[in-house]
Amino acid sequence: QQQVKQSPQSLIVQKGGISIINCAYENTAFDYFPWYQQFPGKGPALLIAIRPDVSEKKEGRFTISFNKSAKQFSLHIMDSQPGDSATYFCAARNSGNTPLVFGKGTRLSVIA
Amino acid sequence: EPEVTQTPSHQVTQMGQEVILRCVPISNHLYFYWYRQILGQKVEFLVSFYNNEISEKSEIFDDQFSVERPDGSNFTLKIRSTKLEDSAMYFCASSDRGRSEKLFFGSGTQLSVL
Repeated sequence: QQQVKQSPQSLIVQKGGISIINCAYENTAFDYFPWYQQFPGKGPALLIAIRPDVSEKKEGRFTISFNKSAKQFSLHIMDSQPGDSATYFCAARNSGNTPLVFGKGTRLSVIA
Repeated sequence: EPEVTQTPSHQVTQMGQEVILRCVPISNHLYFYWYRQILGQKVEFLVSFYNNEISEKSEIFDDQFSVERPDGSNFTLKIRSTKLEDSAMYFCASSDRGRSEKLFFGSGTQLSVL
């Protein structure tokens, strides 16, 4: 119940294409859903986050789509660039307690 | 841009030894966290700290672990008697708001227990 299931494990996208990473959860008490980006040798960095009262949030080329009824949320990276090549983690927070629960990560490679 | 600083970047220790991992959070942040990531696995919560006391801790954070904010700038994680399974990348994070929102992570300390 405290898990967040992330897919795919790895993804290769052509430069200029759309990268889509999906996450699913079971716990309806989750109330905060961030996405983190991690480059090799660095810690995760907050990319964008959404709460369940909205279905979509966009920041530049990054968009979170949230489907409350399906208990799924996804990250879309438009016009993907080689500099976007990194590992992406979805996460969720239970309204009853504060620690983030992370997905297992998706390694994205954007090739020219 | 302000950042969370962690030292050392790599730590090798013998099983049963004590290690202290150090972190300097962003200066105006009040909420501090330790997470760890075993190679190839997901990032896992260890402990959160606010107002000089532990707010929450996970099952991983047993009696062998402790945290301390010895002065106004440092935040440390101590493992009293390391085990092989403690080998992981340990990340410190801080935030200016509670409930794990807007966390800033350091670059991590890679701990190898031999």
